[in-house]
Amino acid sequence: AQSVTQLDSQVPVFEEAPVELRCNYSSSVSVYLFWYVQYPNQGLQLLLKYLSGSTLVKGINGFEAEFNKSQTSFHLRKPSVHISDTAEYFCAVRPIQGAQKLVFGQGTRLTINP
Amino acid sequence: EAGVAQSPRYKIIEKRQSVAFWCNPISGHATLYWYQQILGQGPKLLIQFQNNGVVDDSQLPKDRFSAERLKGVDSTLKIQPAKLEDSAVYLCASSLESGSNSPLHFGNGTRLTVT
Repeated sequence: AQSVTQLDSQVPVFEEAPVELRCNYSSSVSVYLFWYVQYPNQGLQLLLKYLSGSTLVKGINGFEAEFNKSQTSFHLRKPSVHISDTAEYFCAVRPIQGAQKLVFGQGTRLTINP
Repeated sequence: EAGVAQSPRYKIIEKRQSVAFWCNPISGHATLYWYQQILGQGPKLLIQFQNNGVVDDSQLPKDRFSAERLKGVDSTLKIQPAKLEDSAVYLCASSLESGSNSPLHFGNGTRLTVT
């Protein structure tokens, strides 16, 4: 089975400051990793994904994430946030083979203050 | 391309009543998912369809929840009877294939309040 832990339930930052949202996972099999964003009253939108290759992946809206296999982490970063980045962010994993259920963390609410 | 469509957007019912949600996936997407998102938690998979067949319904409370995708296109999720703890957002998603690298596309969800 897989599990995902997002270490911070809420992260407040000031506009134009850098941000890191932390994600650790546990799995007995190899997994693909994802970050989704959920704006208020909307569904989830894929930010970025790690399937293979370079451990640093770039996504939409200036976000990037780094896969660290030894630490089983997939932290999300942005060097300078904007008010429009205020949203809920979900880290998720999915086994590469076998049961292919997408398992989500509990989410991190990012609040950008002017 | 048109996204995943869900209706209704909001629903308020009393406990022990019945409710149904509808989802129309992106055209051509073979795989359809229903997720339950309780406030303050991440989405939890309830059921996954591949065309009109069920792939995974291990976390579906089958004593009260049911889902179907009879023609392999749109789908309905039903709760009968509803309990207070069913209050949540019900998200429908679809993907082109069932493979793990095939991204999920989510609808805007149906927010259910059970009083």
